[in-house]
Amino acid sequence: RKEVEQDPGPFNVPEGATVAFNCTYSNSASQSFFWYRQDCRKEPKLLMSVYSSGNEDGRFTAQLNRASQYISLLIRDSKLSDSATYLCVVNSWGKLQFGAGTQVVVTP
Amino acid sequence: GAVVSQHPSWVICKSGTSVKIECRSLDFQATTMFWYRQFPKQSLMLMATSNEGSKATYEQGVEKDKFLINHASLTLSTLTVTSAHPEDSSFYICSASGRGADTQYFGPGTRLTVL
Repeated sequence: RKEVEQDPGPFNVPEGATVAFNCTYSNSASQSFFWYRQDCRKEPKLLMSVYSSGNEDGRFTAQLNRASQYISLLIRDSKLSDSATYLCVVNSWGKLQFGAGTQVVVTP
Repeated sequence: GAVVSQHPSWVICKSGTSVKIECRSLDFQATTMFWYRQFPKQSLMLMATSNEGSKATYEQGVEKDKFLINHASLTLSTLTVTSAHPEDSSFYICSASGRGADTQYFGPGTRLTVL
């Protein structure tokens, strides 16, 4: 079983719409959680950390459910520039475990 | 913000040759550097963790004699892929973190193609 599992997508989203997706993690002792964004053939870039109480950064909202061991990301008012692969990342004892990513394609 | 560079950004080599990839932290001291590998449509997989001045710690299944890591200074780590073969073709990404810091800053990656 993979440490971090994500729906690969693609999620095809009309511009201006809302899209949400989850990831699940297997290590209940994981300490911190992140969403990264990776564009084609580029390195991952930190989008936001994920806190237990849920947090928002502009159009992006992240939630963490420790009991069920899943993390979610919601993107509101999608822009064409939001098209990317979103990586769910879990920190377990200083090591980052990456999901394979969820591809989002925002269409005009 | 913290900047990490990698060189080269891409390399094509013949099977059996060795390739060296450099990872530099440009504006901070990186006490720990991480090397990842990413195959197409797959997640980043940690290969090894290196602390300045000490031997790297390799993840299970990663051959330390094939992937030589040197972290001789607080701003430079190198990964040498020895006797590269086509199955080593991948996207190699380094990241760096400073003393006591949780955040890892990623380099732009090196795309290796072995013919």
